[in-house]
Amino acid sequence: RKEVEQDPGPFNVPEGATVAFNCTYSNSASQSFFWYRQDCRKEPKLLMSVYSSGNEDGRFTAQLNRASQYISLLIRDSKLSDSATYLCVVNIPFGNEKLTFGTGTRLTIIP
Amino acid sequence: NAGVTQTPKFQVLKTGQSMTLQCAQDMNHNSMYWYRQDPGMGLRLIYYSASEGTTDKGEVPNGYNVSRLNKREFSLRLESAAPSQTSVYFCASSWGHGYTFGSGTRLTVV
Repeated sequence: RKEVEQDPGPFNVPEGATVAFNCTYSNSASQSFFWYRQDCRKEPKLLMSVYSSGNEDGRFTAQLNRASQYISLLIRDSKLSDSATYLCVVNIPFGNEKLTFGTGTRLTIIP
Repeated sequence: NAGVTQTPKFQVLKTGQSMTLQCAQDMNHNSMYWYRQDPGMGLRLIYYSASEGTTDKGEVPNGYNVSRLNKREFSLRLESAAPSQTSVYFCASSWGHGYTFGSGTRLTVV
């Protein structure tokens, strides 16, 4: 089983719609969770951290379910500029600051 | 503030050639990393350095060597390039779990 699993997509979503991605992780000892965004042919960039209580940043909402070991990202009122690959990222327990990256979910917003 | 700077951006090598990918960060981070990214495989850790003077193997270290020259610089060397090393290579640095990536090196081995 992969340490972090994501649906690769692609998700093709009309502009203005709401879209949600899920991600599952295998190591129950993981404590830190993130969503990174990667544009085509660019480097990954931190989108947001994911906290146990859930957190929101503008149109983006991230949630963590420790019991089921999954993380979600919700994008509301999607914009063309949201088109990217979204990487689910989990820390490696006892691994200093090392992270495990999912393979990503590709999102395309359609005008 | 440049963040993480990688050079070169593109490189084509012949099988058996050697080269060094350079990475430097100006954020005073202790930890630095080298990843490769291949289609369908995601980012895989090659080597990392938790602090100046220390390096450790990651998930896919075979065929690579690294040097943490000082706190700022972390280089990746391919001693004898193979077609299987065709990939996009990213350097990153971190403080805590906040990673900053360089813009990547697209390497093709023919």
